[in-house]
Amino acid sequence: DAEITQSPRHKITETGRQVTLACHQTWNHNNMFWYRQDLGHGLRLIHYSYGVQDTNKGEVSDGYSVSRSNTEDLPLTLESAASSQTSVYFCASSKKTNTEAFFGQGTRLTVV
Amino acid sequence: GESVGLHLPTLSVQEGDNSIINCAYSNSASDYFIWYKQESGKGPQFIIDIRSNMDKRQGQRVTVLLNKTVKHLSLQIAATQPGDSAVYFCAEESNYQLIWGAGTKLIIKP
Repeated sequence: DAEITQSPRHKITETGRQVTLACHQTWNHNNMFWYRQDLGHGLRLIHYSYGVQDTNKGEVSDGYSVSRSNTEDLPLTLESAASSQTSVYFCASSKKTNTEAFFGQGTRLTVV
Repeated sequence: GESVGLHLPTLSVQEGDNSIINCAYSNSASDYFIWYKQESGKGPQFIIDIRSNMDKRQGQRVTVLLNKTVKHLSLQIAATQPGDSAVYFCAEESNYQLIWGAGTKLIIKP
């Protein structure tokens, strides 16, 4: 069955380190998204991509970057991790706009 | 597992009763709306969607109502079951991006 997977599920890192979270989908979806979810908030969009070599900034993109070298993967990089980036991160994909998105299980990142 | 907000609006419903979860959206130009369910430790899961040219859409045990005049969206769950216990998010699509609400926690009383 097609799926979307995130790794790692849990990560603890130190302030200032570079961290990369992986997202891999097997639906062959064009659209991929990264969100963060904090206590008491809904999901906030970090970056998104509508296809290979396409990346766009979302609402809370500062301190994050993504790259889309193939259809299946959209890794999220924290250039220099900060305590404010402690959060749960969700990756999602969709076939096109105005259709449902499928979410991964999430990555809990703690920056100490 | 991954946790969601501890200070969310909460709706407590008796098992077997109907649940109504409400959501206000912000952009009158939004043309697509979607409801997601998030269980503890899991990613959001699609429930039902509706486009702006409709005011009602039904699924299995769920109905979404859209009132564009007051920018209001609601999710009705019929005969609520223990498995419906989760946080429910509405989202609107605006400028090709989904804008999410803060969520409502649904608690089922036995």
